[in-house]
Amino acid sequence: DTGVSQNPRHKITKRGQNVTFRCDPISEHNRLYWYRQTLGQGPEFLTYFQNEAQLEKSRLLSDRFSAERPKGSFSTLEIQRTEQGDSAMYLCASSLQRQPQHFGDGTRLSIL
Amino acid sequence: QKEVEQNSGPLSVPEGAIASLNCTYSDRGSQSFFWYRQYSGKSPELIMFIYSNGDKEDGRFTAQLNKASQYVSLLIRDSQPSDSATYLCAVENTGTASKLTFGTGTRLQVTL
Repeated sequence: DTGVSQNPRHKITKRGQNVTFRCDPISEHNRLYWYRQTLGQGPEFLTYFQNEAQLEKSRLLSDRFSAERPKGSFSTLEIQRTEQGDSAMYLCASSLQRQPQHFGDGTRLSIL
Repeated sequence: QKEVEQNSGPLSVPEGAIASLNCTYSDRGSQSFFWYRQYSGKSPELIMFIYSNGDKEDGRFTAQLNKASQYVSLLIRDSQPSDSATYLCAVENTGTASKLTFGTGTRLQVTL
């Protein structure tokens, strides 16, 4: 059990650029979640995968956001045409069914 | 009304004392409750979870759940300076996603 791995740890980009983050869940965890956290707030749910199927997306997830989990293993979260308001910590979590979620170290996104 | 409410603190307790952290939630259908610890600049770390009314103890930590009052608490006995962090209360919503709804967190400061 090597834990949830997220890359990159930090991403600095100019407004309008596209960015992609990767999450490798704990092996054998079939559930994978993406959350976003801004300063002074708790994490907010973005989207959820069970195996390769994306089963739920938050209203927070605008059309500029897309997530995939090909083959039910790692997941990617892409943000197109980044905006200042996208600056946040993007957290990935994984779990087995009916088990607590474990978080990765997160990717901190800064938009210049 | 926020779905999960916590006092933002800071809650200051002397070393060796008991720290009591509280959380209320609005969704009566919530079934699972979690406490995560988050150090500044780090990701949330699971420390306790509770599913049934009553108390659950793990080392220096005790989680208490009262579903009738929609109230969850975390007690930390023999508080240590290393316990200084933000404690996030999370509630698992009913439905297939099992997504977590977080409070804004309570900042705990353990003083020497």
